Amino acid sequence: KNQVEQSPQSLIILEGKNCTLQCNYTVSPFSNLRWYKQDTGRGPVSLTIMTFSENTKSNGRYTATLDADTKQSSLHITASQLSDSASYICVVSALTGGGNKLTFGTGTQLKVEL
Amino acid sequence: DAGVTQSPTHLIKTRGQQVTLRCSPKSGHDTVSWYQQALGQGPQFIFQYYEEEERQRGNFPDRFSGHQFPNYSSELNVNALLLGDSALYLCASSRPGFTSASYNEQFFGPGTRLTVL
Repeated sequence: KNQVEQSPQSLIILEGKNCTLQCNYTVSPFSNLRWYKQDTGRGPVSLTIMTFSENTKSNGRYTATLDADTKQSSLHITASQLSDSASYICVVSALTGGGNKLTFGTGTQLKVEL
Repeated sequence: DAGVTQSPTHLIKTRGQQVTLRCSPKSGHDTVSWYQQALGQGPQFIFQYYEEEERQRGNFPDRFSGHQFPNYSSELNVNALLLGDSALYLCASSRPGFTSASYNEQFFGPGTRLTVL
């Protein structure tokens, strides 16, 4: 069964600090991995997308890494801001006969405080 | 470009009723997917529409049905509502040229918050 597990479930950090969120997956056959940011009550917004051959990808203060051998990914946030408070969802795409099929993690709830 | 739009934003229904949610995809997108997101959970895939047909379906009962129109907009219908259907319903659209090698990046709408009493 395709699964995506994220850790920690929730995290509180002080503004200006860095943090790293983890994602482990058992999705097969792997197509790509995405990180989304979801503000409360809003739709997810894509941060990064990585294919099998990509080890790292950055989007501003967000840097995602992918180890396809160990099936692990991380999202590193540098110099956190209050606006970073949100749920961060790891999504892994599998190749199927009908195209890409997405499996979502349950997310890491990040709160940035003063 | 308005991006993906959904209506209504909020909806309150009672058990046993039926509901229709609407989605307009991002300009240039032809594939629409629907997700259910319970509070504190990740989105769960309901189904995907392409060329006015259901292409993929998740583990949802037949009470959940959909439709895609020639202009690529889509509706999600839920019959015989249960309390457990209360959730944020997300619509996502993706670009044409859907192939097994594509990213199939999905752009999400703001969602419709459905409350079943």
